[in-house]
Amino acid sequence: AQKITQTQPGMFVQEKEAVTLDCTYDTSDPSYGLFWYKQPSSGEMIFLIYQGSYDQQNATEGRYSLNFQKARKSANLVISASQLGDSAMYFCAMRDESTGGFKTIFGAGTRLFVKA
Amino acid sequence: KAGVTQTPRYLIKTRGQQVTLSCSPISGHRSVSWYQQTPGQGLQFLFEYFSETQRNKGNFPGRFSGRQFSNSRSEMNVSTLELGDSALYLCASSLVSLSSYEQYFGPGTRLTVT
Repeated sequence: AQKITQTQPGMFVQEKEAVTLDCTYDTSDPSYGLFWYKQPSSGEMIFLIYQGSYDQQNATEGRYSLNFQKARKSANLVISASQLGDSAMYFCAMRDESTGGFKTIFGAGTRLFVKA
Repeated sequence: KAGVTQTPRYLIKTRGQQVTLSCSPISGHRSVSWYQQTPGQGLQFLFEYFSETQRNKGNFPGRFSGRQFSNSRSEMNVSTLELGDSALYLCASSLVSLSSYEQYFGPGTRLTVT
């Protein structure tokens, strides 16, 4: 069965510094996608970044980068130059891409606090 | 382009009642997925509809059901509500193509069961 583990319930980071949010996953499927979402206190889920299991290079989207280590089954999110607006809940997620569809499982989340 | 809309945004129901939530996807998106978010269980996948057919299903009891209409709008229904059904219900739509992978989420419907 697929599983996503986020071991950091909460993280603090100083404004303008970089922060890494940890995510490990478990799956026996050869084709899968890994995602990170941001959920501010307002509740909406905001897509941040995607990494396919066959992608050779780590994904980057602006200040977000995904450190993909396939052998370790980890997909950590790195946020560079943190901003106060980055304070939110962050979810790592995985989708089985071998069977089609958008069934996605989520980790428990990490709450990030950015300090001024 | 308008985003995913969900109605109503807030709902209060009594135990034993039933409820219907609505989701309108982004124009052109044919896949609609539903998720339940609670403090205890986190985000859990309910089901996904594509072209009016349920394509994937999560581990929820039969009290949770859904459907999709020809215009891709989707509804989910929860019958015989229980206190534990209190949650934020999120809907997400996706463009189905070989290169698509992103789900766009709506603002959610917050259901409170008393």
